[in-house]
Amino acid sequence: NAGVTQTPKFRILKIGQSMTLQCTQDMNHNYMYWYRQDPGMGLKLIYYSVGAGITDKGEVPNGYNVSRSTTEDFPLRLELAAPSQTSVYFCASSFVPEETQYFGPGTRLLVL
Amino acid sequence: QKEVEQNSGPLSVPEGAIASLNCTYSDRVSQSFFWYRQYSGKSPELIMSIYSNGDKEDGRFTAQLNKASQYVSLLIRDSQPSDSATYLCAVNGLSSGSARQLTFGSGTQLTVLP
Repeated sequence: NAGVTQTPKFRILKIGQSMTLQCTQDMNHNYMYWYRQDPGMGLKLIYYSVGAGITDKGEVPNGYNVSRSTTEDFPLRLELAAPSQTSVYFCASSFVPEETQYFGPGTRLLVL
Repeated sequence: QKEVEQNSGPLSVPEGAIASLNCTYSDRVSQSFFWYRQYSGKSPELIMSIYSNGDKEDGRFTAQLNKASQYVSLLIRDSQPSDSATYLCAVNGLSSGSARQLTFGSGTQLTVLP
């Protein structure tokens, strides 16, 4: 079982460039989440989804977009990269919010 | 005011000692509480979940919840150097008032000295 997978592992972007962070889970979870983690800080929720076609904003959604066309995939889109988006991004999934969230390995993003 | 507060540490304990990690939260209606462990450069992994007042034990780990005091703690008995990591407290149902989100504390860095 692969669990939650993320690609790429690491990426350097120039200011103003765009990219998509990929996230896939094979556990048939309805709920999926995107977090960012800045150095020495906890996780901040960017967006989440309760099922295919349904997404909602988290605590820090500005500068990001998401879509959920299938149960398995939940990509995160950065349209105009800014240095403030330098962070580690984690995707997670769960059956229901009250239970364990399983995290992917993370994507380290550097915007210069 | 932060919604989930943890002492950032670092907390250092000798091998074999009990490590005590604490977390307070602001929303009285929170129902689900989690402790995640995160090794440096890795993703968080669940250590314990607790939903009702009292203690919950799993091996060397004990989670304690006191909803009246809005306080949740994690005790690690017989601490090992492999327990050295950052421990994240997470609470369900804060921020927007939705029960669909977890709010994380900033984490406590634990170092177990051989």
